[in-house]
Amino acid sequence: AQKVTQAQTEISVVEKEDVTLDCVYETRDTTYYLFWYKQPPSGELVFLIRRNSFDEQNEISGRYSWNFQKSTSSFNFTITASQVVDSAVYFCALSEAQEYSGGGADGLTFGKGTHLIIQP
Amino acid sequence: DAGVTQSPTHLIKTRGQHVTLRCSPISGHKSVSWYQQVLGQGPQFIFQYYEKEERGRGNFPDRFSARQFPNYSSELNVNALLLGDSALYLCASSLEHKARDTQYFGPGTRLTVL
Repeated sequence: AQKVTQAQTEISVVEKEDVTLDCVYETRDTTYYLFWYKQPPSGELVFLIRRNSFDEQNEISGRYSWNFQKSTSSFNFTITASQVVDSAVYFCALSEAQEYSGGGADGLTFGKGTHLIIQP
Repeated sequence: DAGVTQSPTHLIKTRGQHVTLRCSPISGHKSVSWYQQVLGQGPQFIFQYYEKEERGRGNFPDRFSARQFPNYSSELNVNALLLGDSALYLCASSLEHKARDTQYFGPGTRLTVL
């Protein structure tokens, strides 16, 4: 069964510090997809990034970067020079491609989330 | 383009009642998924529909049901409400039902059961 672990329940940093959010996953499938979502206080989940299991290239988007390492089953997220607007709950999620259903999925499996607080 | 929309925004019900939540996907998306998020937890998968057929179901009791309409909008029904059903119900839409398809979420319906 698939599982996503976000061990950091809450992180608090001062604005402009760098911060890394950890995500460790478990899956028996060889084809799977990893996602990060941001949930601000309003409650709506905002999509940040998708990664497939065959692409281990790190990705950078502005102040955001992601480090995917299959050897440690981790998909960590770093915010550089954090800002108050980055304050939110961040979720890591996993989707397995079920070969018997033609690559269909059975929903996203989410971690419990990391509450990131950026203090001014 | 409009994102995923959900109605109502908030709902208060009493135990034993039933509730219907509605979702309209992003234009062009044919798949809708439903998730339940209780306070302090990550969303839990309830159902996925694609082309009006159920394509996936999470570990929820039969009190939970859903359907998808020809215009790809969807309804989630919950019968015989329990206090534990109080949660944020999130709808997500995607192009298809494949694992590779990114799911885009709506603002959610916050259900309170008294």
